[in-house]
Amino acid sequence: AQSVTQPDIHITVSEGASLELRCNYSYGATPYLFWYVQSPGQGLQLLLKYFSGDTLVQGIKGFEAEFKRSQSSFNLRKPSVHWSDAAEYFCAVGVIQGAQKLVFGQGTRLTINP
Amino acid sequence: DAGITQSPRHKVTETGTPVTLRCHQTENHRYMYWYRQDPGHGLRLIHYSYGVKDTDKGEVSDGYSVSRSKTEDFLLTLESATSSQTSVYFCAISSLTGNTDTQYFGPGTRLTVL
Repeated sequence: AQSVTQPDIHITVSEGASLELRCNYSYGATPYLFWYVQSPGQGLQLLLKYFSGDTLVQGIKGFEAEFKRSQSSFNLRKPSVHWSDAAEYFCAVGVIQGAQKLVFGQGTRLTINP
Repeated sequence: DAGITQSPRHKVTETGTPVTLRCHQTENHRYMYWYRQDPGHGLRLIHYSYGVKDTDKGEVSDGYSVSRSKTEDFLLTLESATSSQTSVYFCAISSLTGNTDTQYFGPGTRLTVL
């Protein structure tokens, strides 16, 4: 069965520091991978997605993610975080079964220290 | 904004009562989804629709039913609400093109079952 693991439930970083959020997936076919961000009390906003091609994907708000097939990973990175990046981040894999169903990880809550 | 609204945004109800949540889109997208979000579980798919009157079950469909009588509306019904259905419910829409797809999420409905 398909699954997504985000090993870190909560991460705290200082403003201006670099960030890496981990995501590992389990899926037998070519994965379609996504990162979403959720601010408190809000819906989910798409940060970036990987379907094929270049394994380094650029997204909104200065985020990027790298797909590594050999490690079954799709880690999210940002070189310098801002206080406004505090939110919950979700990694998901898209499973094509009729429609494209998303299987989500448990989420990583990011706290920014001033 | 992806042109998705959900109503109500907040609801408190009692165990055993029926509840209907509404998702409305203005994008004319073919696919619509209902997810629930619970701490430690990320988002999990309840039901989805691939066209008017065409629906199918997701991962956690027990206790839920859906209907889609027109393209723009997708209703989620809890026939007899239970406390385990206290959750935040998100609707998503997409237009699957080939095998690539991106889902866009509504603002969510917070449901409390007492």
